[in-house]
Amino acid sequence: DSGVTQTPKHLITATGQRVTLRCSPRSGDLSVYWYQQSLDQGLQFLIHYYNGEERAKGNILERFSAQQFPDLHSELNLSSLELGDSALYFCASSTRLYNEQFFGPGTRLTVL
Amino acid sequence: AQTVTQSQPEMSVQEAETVTLSCTYDTSESDYYLFWYKQPPSRQMILVIRQEAYKQQNATENRFSVNFQKAAKSFSLKISDSQLGDAAMYFCAYRSAYSGAGSYQLTFGKGTKLSVIP
Repeated sequence: DSGVTQTPKHLITATGQRVTLRCSPRSGDLSVYWYQQSLDQGLQFLIHYYNGEERAKGNILERFSAQQFPDLHSELNLSSLELGDSALYFCASSTRLYNEQFFGPGTRLTVL
Repeated sequence: AQTVTQSQPEMSVQEAETVTLSCTYDTSESDYYLFWYKQPPSRQMILVIRQEAYKQQNATENRFSVNFQKAAKSFSLKISDSQLGDAAMYFCAYRSAYSGAGSYQLTFGKGTKLSVIP
């Protein structure tokens, strides 16, 4: 158990819908990274937040957005869902910017 | 941009034997970190081992060791005395040591699926 929690574990929804994935970092960790793992693209970095501020964006679609709240938990919002958005979404947290990242168990999103 | 290549989509090893997984990367940076992550069927990403590029000594963690060849940009993982629990996807990953944006995201290879034969 890495200490990072993600909810829900599984999510099944329809095309065109909107969902929110939640991540609670390890206690005291200020950094939250979001990654997407799909069969087509492999593991890709989406976005990074540090202490409430967005630090970097990777291959994140405009339909996707994220935020980190004052209690340091983070949410990834996916809207206008398409079949190709079906994937495993991980968050990872680290103490500071450059420390080792610890991964959560992931949220499996299935878009039908 | 950095890229990570794992040329072996699948490998198998007999229990108690040794196996080596390959990884090459491309970067123009001189300082960076390299990692091997294990992803068992549970899908949890587990850090196996890490290597700092400025360290010439190869990292080891119990039965896991790496062969880091900086000039060749090669970073292979050796698993000794393979166990059934080693069966998993293994991902090689790269991370910059310095970032102007203050972000240290991981760049992953496509992974190698390791099967362990009893």
